[in-house]
Amino acid sequence: AQTVTQSQPEMSVQEAETVTLSCTYDTSESDYYLFWYKQPPSRQMILVIRQEAYKQQNATENRFSVNFQKAAKSFSLKISDSQLGDAAMYFCAYRQPRRIFGNEKLTFGTGTRLTIIP
Amino acid sequence: ETGVTQTPRHLVMGMTNKKSLKCEQHLGHNAMYWYKQSAKKPLELMFVYNFKEQTENNSVPSRFSPECPNSSHLFLHLHTLQPEDSALYLCASSQEGELAGLNEQFFGPGTRLTVL
Repeated sequence: AQTVTQSQPEMSVQEAETVTLSCTYDTSESDYYLFWYKQPPSRQMILVIRQEAYKQQNATENRFSVNFQKAAKSFSLKISDSQLGDAAMYFCAYRQPRRIFGNEKLTFGTGTRLTIIP
Repeated sequence: ETGVTQTPRHLVMGMTNKKSLKCEQHLGHNAMYWYKQSAKKPLELMFVYNFKEQTENNSVPSRFSPECPNSSHLFLHLHTLQPEDSALYLCASSQEGELAGLNEQFFGPGTRLTVL
């Protein structure tokens, strides 16, 4: 079974600085999908960034980027120029390969609570 | 309403009560999900409905009973719950198909359930 590990329960960063949240996962598959979700205090979970395992290029979305190390099964999230609105729980998630019909399942990590220090 | 909505947002119930959680998605998706979110634990997938058919029941106790009357609505019927069932229950939806691997799941705001 796939597992996702986020080893940092809490992180804090000074406003405008850069922070990296770590995520590792375990799978025997070669093709899969990885996601970072953000859950602000209002609770609605939203997608931050996603990555296809067969793409070597790291995904980027504005101030958010990932460092995808397939061999190491590592998928860290870097937030540049941190803003107060970035304060939230961040969840890393894994999805099985799409070739299997009915494999809609996302496997989540336990989350990292990010605090932004003004 | 847009996105995924859930009602009620907060629910307090006794162990002998029967209640239902409602989820509605306005995104035209064909798959819907129930997750349980407890403190310091990963989100737990409870049920998946794809094209209104239940494709996953993740060993959930029978006191939780899902219902998906159509692709836009999902219910979670609750009966004789235990205090350890207190949690945030999240609904999500997505568009599934052969090329859907990268498609994200869209989440609702959740229902905070407290079982006394």
